[in-house]
Amino acid sequence: EVQLVESGGGVVRPGGSLRLSCAASGFTFDDYGMSWVRQAPGKGLEWVSGINWNGGSTGYADSVKGRFTISRDNAKNSLYLQMNSLRAEDTAFYYCARVAIAPTGTDYFDYWGQGTLVTVSS
Amino acid sequence: QSVLTQPPSVSGAPGQRVTISCTGSSSNIGAHYDVHWYQHLPGTAPKLLIYGNNNRPSGVPDRFSGSRSGTSASLAITGLQAEDEADYYCQSYGSSLNDWGVVFGGGTKLTVL
Repeated sequence: EVQLVESGGGVVRPGGSLRLSCAASGFTFDDYGMSWVRQAPGKGLEWVSGINWNGGSTGYADSVKGRFTISRDNAKNSLYLQMNSLRAEDTAFYYCARVAIAPTGTDYFDYWGQGTLVTVSS
Repeated sequence: QSVLTQPPSVSGAPGQRVTISCTGSSSNIGAHYDVHWYQHLPGTAPKLLIYGNNNRPSGVPDRFSGSRSGTSASLAITGLQAEDEADYYCQSYGSSLNDWGVVFGGGTKLTVL
């Protein structure tokens, strides 16, 4: 059974940092790209960042570029999101998701974790 | 404001059929990029319902179906059940929107009356 378990959320002051982790199990982790998706209170889903199977390619939403860094450790079956210079608008549930590829080549997310809450507040 | 537009809410009685639309443009859905759909209860793990426009992952009931035409896509739910009450999101690809081009619709809250 595929499982994704996020951790590392909490309350942080504006300008602070936080590192999220996602522990994966039930599948061959280094066969898949991974992403982080967030949901701010009362808002919809927003893609935050993604990484390919070996960490050689990463991508970010414009809203987090230069502040967040995605990484992975395939030996530990783990995905990470280092979040720096946090802002109030980064307050959200953060979900890690496994990336799948549709027959025509577009990415989608076939398994998700339950999320970890990040609150940025003074 | 998402580039994929969904109605904020839809509702239906148990047993009825409802549809949720996802309207894009020639830059995303209209460019023949696939549309995927997710079911989400806030605070829980989102669940993939439909991938590649009209494909159901194993375990998803055939009451859920997807379609795409022109610059729009739709999710249809037949035989509505109380457990279907949730938020639903479409997702597609939109070049230059972000590094990976991943774009979600704004979400639709389904209420089962």
